[in-house]
Formats: sequence, structure tokens, C-alpha cells
Amino acid sequence: DAGVTQSPTHLIKTRGQQVTLRCSPISGHKSVSWYQQVLGQGPQFIFQYYEKEERGRGNFPDRFSARQFPNYSSELNVNALLLGDSALYLCASSPQGTDYGYTFGSGTRLTVV
Amino acid sequence: DAKTTQPNSMESNEEEPVHLPCNHSTISGTDYIHWYRQLPSQGPEYVIHGLTSNVNNRMASLAIAEDRKSSTLILHRATLRDAAVYYCILIISSGSARQLTFGSGTQLTVLP
Repeated sequence: DAGVTQSPTHLIKTRGQQVTLRCSPISGHKSVSWYQQVLGQGPQFIFQYYEKEERGRGNFPDRFSARQFPNYSSELNVNALLLGDSALYLCASSPQGTDYGYTFGSGTRLTVV
Repeated sequence: DAKTTQPNSMESNEEEPVHLPCNHSTISGTDYIHWYRQLPSQGPEYVIHGLTSNVNNRMASLAIAEDRKSSTLILHRATLRDAAVYYCILIISSGSARQLTFGSGTQLTVLP
């Protein structure tokens, strides 16, 4: 079975641009979460989506948005990129109703120059 | 918010046991303790979780203190492939979302 897949794996953008990151969850997983990991730190929660609805968001500005599609895949959008948005963006999928077994993708490395 | 504290780094020799400690003094009665690890250039990987009793799986063992204010992840025989950052995590509610709260983790170095 395929794990959580994220695309692209690496991305370089210029300040002020917009970026879209994509995530395909494990088959059967209906929940997708997004995390930002700055170099040297642990991942920080951005969003969780379940059944195409946002369940919660972390302490991130409105420049960050996301959505989930009927096939449970998800996109993370970041507008007006700042240098500080440079990070590894991780997607995790999980089965409904469980707090264990989150499966992470390998992430998208975003560099803002 | 419930938080965890871990040593920044630890070293172990290959083939020897490793005990990775974690303090979570503000844990609530219903919080499970979760451990994930992150190998270089990969996303975090689930290791083990538990509530009160000690837990074992094919990857590791989790020993939970009786007062639940601390726990220890035990790798019985460390290998070079176990070199990673190990995170002790509590899951908190954010709206109706459930979020993993990562700290900075413990960087485990395994020496040959």
C-alpha cells in the first residue's frame, strides 16, 4: 500500500509569491493534518481536515489556508510568502476517531528567497 | 496546554539498550502518551503509545510512571538505523481537531 504522498518534494519561491502543496492520504484515511517544521524544531500544527471540513487550526496567520477534496486528498496554500515560511511542510493522515497511528509523508521542503 | 520535556540529545552504543526519558507533569487523566521518531529527511514515524500500563511492540517498550508524570521509551538493542530524533507527544484538542504537540525532541546518536 502507498503511504502518504506529498508533492512537490522541494520548492523554491520568491517573497510575495503564492504556493500550493499537495497531499494524498493513505487509502481509507479520512483525516488529513498539516504541520510546519522549521529547521531544528519539532513540527507545529497548522490544520486538520476531516470529511472536507476544517476541524481546527493552529496559531498561523490567514495567509495559510487549506482544503480537502472528496477523495480525501488535501492542498495547503500559502499566500504572500515570507522568508520565515521556509520550512518542511508535513502532511499526516489518520483513520477516523483514533488518536494513534498518524502516518506522515516525507514532506515538502519550501525555500523562500 | 499539556507539554513534555525531553533531553536535547543522548548517545548509545550499538547493540545496547537505550532509555529515552520524558517528563509530562501537566498530563491529564485521559491523555495518552505517544512517541514518534523522525529519521533524517523523513516525516515523523509512529513508535508506540500508552495510557497507564507499560506497553510493548515490535519497535520498543514504553514504561509509564505510576503517577503518569513521566515515561521512558526503551529501545532494547539500539542499531545504527535507530539514530533519529525521538518525540514524546501529548495530543490536545484544538477546536474539534486533535493535534500532536511536538517539542524539540531528543536527538539519539548510536555509536558503532
